[in-house]
Amino acid sequence: EVQLVESGGGLVQPGGSLRLSCAASGFTFSSSWMSWVRQAPGKGLEWVANIKGDASQKYYVASVRGRFTISRDNANNSLYLQMNSLRADDTAIYYCAREITAGIGYWGQGTLVSVSS
Amino acid sequence: SYELTQPPSVSVSPGQTASITCSGDKLGDKYASWYQQKPGQSPVLVIYQDTKRPSGIPERFSGSKSGNTATLTVSGTQAMDEADYYCLTWDNKVFGGGTKLSVL
Repeated sequence: EVQLVESGGGLVQPGGSLRLSCAASGFTFSSSWMSWVRQAPGKGLEWVANIKGDASQKYYVASVRGRFTISRDNANNSLYLQMNSLRADDTAIYYCAREITAGIGYWGQGTLVSVSS
Repeated sequence: SYELTQPPSVSVSPGQTASITCSGDKLGDKYASWYQQKPGQSPVLVIYQDTKRPSGIPERFSGSKSGNTATLTVSGTQAMDEADYYCLTWDNKVFGGGTKLSVL
């Protein structure tokens, strides 16, 4: 059974940093593209970033490029999202997700990031 | 920037058929997938590559596409199907705005 468990969310001041983690199990993590997707309170879904299994390719939505960094540790089946220069509009639930061909196959339960002074 | 357009809400009576549309420029050349999200829960994949249904998803969920519009159809809608539904095109990594399906 695929399991994705996020952690690391919390309250942070504007301009601050936070690192999200996702522990994966139940599938071959090292060969899977992984994504982060977020959802602002009461709003829709927004894809944030993704990374290839061997970490050789990484992509970001324009609004976070240069501020967020996606990475992974295949030895420990873990996915990360380093978030710097956080802004109020980054406030959202952040979901770790395993990709399938042309989509998202599996979602974690999400971790809430709140950016506020 | 690329956009996918969904109706904000769709209402259906129990047992009837609900159709939720998703339109976008050149969507006909891209794959669409659909996600169900109930309040307080994570999204769940219900349709991928336009028409394929993951294991465990009831047969009453089906997907189709005509031109630049993808459609999610829920046949014999049940109260448990009440949720928000989002379409996604992976080529652009863009979600539609979401449709709230109400079963009245």
